Amino acid sequence: DTGVSQNPRHKITKRGQNVTFRCDPISEHNRLYWYRQTLGQGPEFLTYFQNEAQLEKSRLLSDRFSAERPKGSFSTLEIQRTEQGDSAMYLCASIEGLGGWEQFFGPGTRLTVL
Amino acid sequence: AQTVTQSQPEMSVQEAETVTLSCTYDTSESDYYLFWYKQPPSRQMILVIRQEAYKQQNATENRFSVNFQKAAKSFSLKISDSQLGDAAMYFCAYRSQTSGSRLTFGEGTQLTVNP
Repeated sequence: DTGVSQNPRHKITKRGQNVTFRCDPISEHNRLYWYRQTLGQGPEFLTYFQNEAQLEKSRLLSDRFSAERPKGSFSTLEIQRTEQGDSAMYLCASIEGLGGWEQFFGPGTRLTVL
Repeated sequence: AQTVTQSQPEMSVQEAETVTLSCTYDTSESDYYLFWYKQPPSRQMILVIRQEAYKQQNATENRFSVNFQKAAKSFSLKISDSQLGDAAMYFCAYRSQTSGSRLTFGEGTQLTVNP
């Protein structure tokens, strides 16, 4: 197992465009988390899934943001009508089962909105 | 809501010396977890050490140890025998027992290790 993977690693887009990021968690990790990290700050929680169910969403997740995990495996995070304030690193993490406690992080997708 | 504060944006240490990174947090809960994560430049975040709030004994992992003061809501990280590879951004994080395991992070401390 190679750990949590995220694609793309970098995305540059123009304001107003839609972007989609993908996260592949460690296999059999049934909980998956999305965080956003702006430059010089700690990550902030966005949302999390247990299997395919989205169980919690942060107030940071405006209605331009949507996340899915259709089969309980990989997840996608879509941002519609991007704004310059969306520029950040988007991190994904996963945890093994109900007894797991360590979040394993992916390398992140760095989004730049011009 | 819980908050985590790291008051040292930057720290530096000489190779082989000891450095302590500070973290305070605010919560009304009695049972929770605290973590230190390391984020090297352009690399993914990795767990350094964790502490369960119900344990009085401070956690230790090789050269890394914590000083957990529950009443003071303080959770500092001590790195002994610092190595060049320890240079990174360090984040303190809080996890509630009831929040679905989401983490609340501090602002981070950038650690420089001088040869």
